[in-house]
Amino acid sequence: AQRVTQPEKLLSVFKGAPVELKCNYSYSGSPELFWYVQYSRQRLQLLLRHISRESIKGFTADLNKGETSFHLKKPFAQEEDSAMYYCALSLTSGTYKYIFGTGTRLKVLA
Amino acid sequence: DAGVTQSPTHLIKTRGQQVTLRCSPISGHKSVSWYQQVLGQGPQFIFQYYEKEERGRGNFPDRFSARQFPNYSSELNVNALLLGDSALYLCASSLGQRAYEQYFGPGTRLTVT
Repeated sequence: AQRVTQPEKLLSVFKGAPVELKCNYSYSGSPELFWYVQYSRQRLQLLLRHISRESIKGFTADLNKGETSFHLKKPFAQEEDSAMYYCALSLTSGTYKYIFGTGTRLKVLA
Repeated sequence: DAGVTQSPTHLIKTRGQQVTLRCSPISGHKSVSWYQQVLGQGPQFIFQYYEKEERGRGNFPDRFSARQFPNYSSELNVNALLLGDSALYLCASSLGQRAYEQYFGPGTRLTVT
């Protein structure tokens, strides 16, 4: 079955420290993967997608098909990065489906 | 553009009742998806509609149904409400069927008592 796993419910780091939010997926087809972010009192919004291979707000994520992972990384955390982060998988074959992980709350401490 | 809008913001229903939630996509977007988000969980995919046709369905019972109108707005209906249907219901719109970039609405908070 298709699944997205985010093993950490909460991740706390100090400002300036590196951040890595883990995401593993289970899907036999060719995955399309995304990271979404929800800041306090704001809507869920797209942060980045693997097909664009871009860096947004200093965040990057590399798809590792061998390890079925799509971890989100940032070398130096900022306080404004504190938010809820969701990894999501879009199925590329068959009927359309979009699967979110359970999310990781990132707290960046001053 | 106000972005994706949803109505109502909150509502309270009793077990066994029926509810209709509404969503207006961003102008020009032809795809609308519905999600259920229970406290402490990620959004769970319910439906996707594109060009007024259902193009995807999640693992939800037949009590859940939806439709998309010619102006691309959408309604989600839930019949025979259960306590477990209490959740935040999110709507997201995107340009095409392959939702590479979804734009989410603020959600409708449904409480079933």
